[in-house]
Amino acid sequence: GENVEQHPSTLSVQEGDSAVIKCTYSDSASNYFPWYKQELGKRPQLIIDIRSNVGEKKDQRIAVTLNKTAKHFSLHITETQPEDSAVYFCAASKDPGGGGNKLTFGTGTQLKVEL
Amino acid sequence: GAVVSQHPSWVICKSGTSVKIECRSLDFQATTMFWYRQFPKQSLMLMATSNEGSKATYEQGVEKDKFLINHASLTLSTLTVTSAHPEDSSFYICSARRRGYEQYFGPGTRLTVT
Repeated sequence: GENVEQHPSTLSVQEGDSAVIKCTYSDSASNYFPWYKQELGKRPQLIIDIRSNVGEKKDQRIAVTLNKTAKHFSLHITETQPEDSAVYFCAASKDPGGGGNKLTFGTGTQLKVEL
Repeated sequence: GAVVSQHPSWVICKSGTSVKIECRSLDFQATTMFWYRQFPKQSLMLMATSNEGSKATYEQGVEKDKFLINHASLTLSTLTVTSAHPEDSSFYICSARRRGYEQYFGPGTRLTVT
């Protein structure tokens, strides 16, 4: 089955700096890669996703890049703010367009944005 | 749109008893629902996938006789933890999806077994 590794496990940055979180996946058939933000005791919230037919996607301060050949994808957050502090999870799946396709999550990154 | 609810939000039960958690898609019909378990400071681990009207598919290592899943309608799935033990204490999160869309997560249920 799919295996997703995520690094780093913790990341501390100064407000205004950029943060980068990296994930690798094992199953070359995976083609959908979402990123979730989870605050303590809350549900995961989808912040951005990318499909394997594109190499990069951006939404305001958040961007995701995908390298299919190397089987890794990264989350980039620019101009970090204290409210960005949370746990971030990457995930991989095969084709969200179909039914019943499960997500395999990475181990999570605790991001702390310091004033 | 795409709201998923869970009930209860937290529950405390005694060891040996059973507890049922409900997951509802409020404004859409879910072709598939998923159940995850999350221990403190750990990732979400998929327990099972359920499609309306059919038996759930459990992940390796998840006891199907202990974690009973029923997906009786396109808007409701239930997870029953039978004969709960303290090691079952965890955060249980469901998600629901409709064909062509991503998963929408419920707010989670905190289970504490004493």
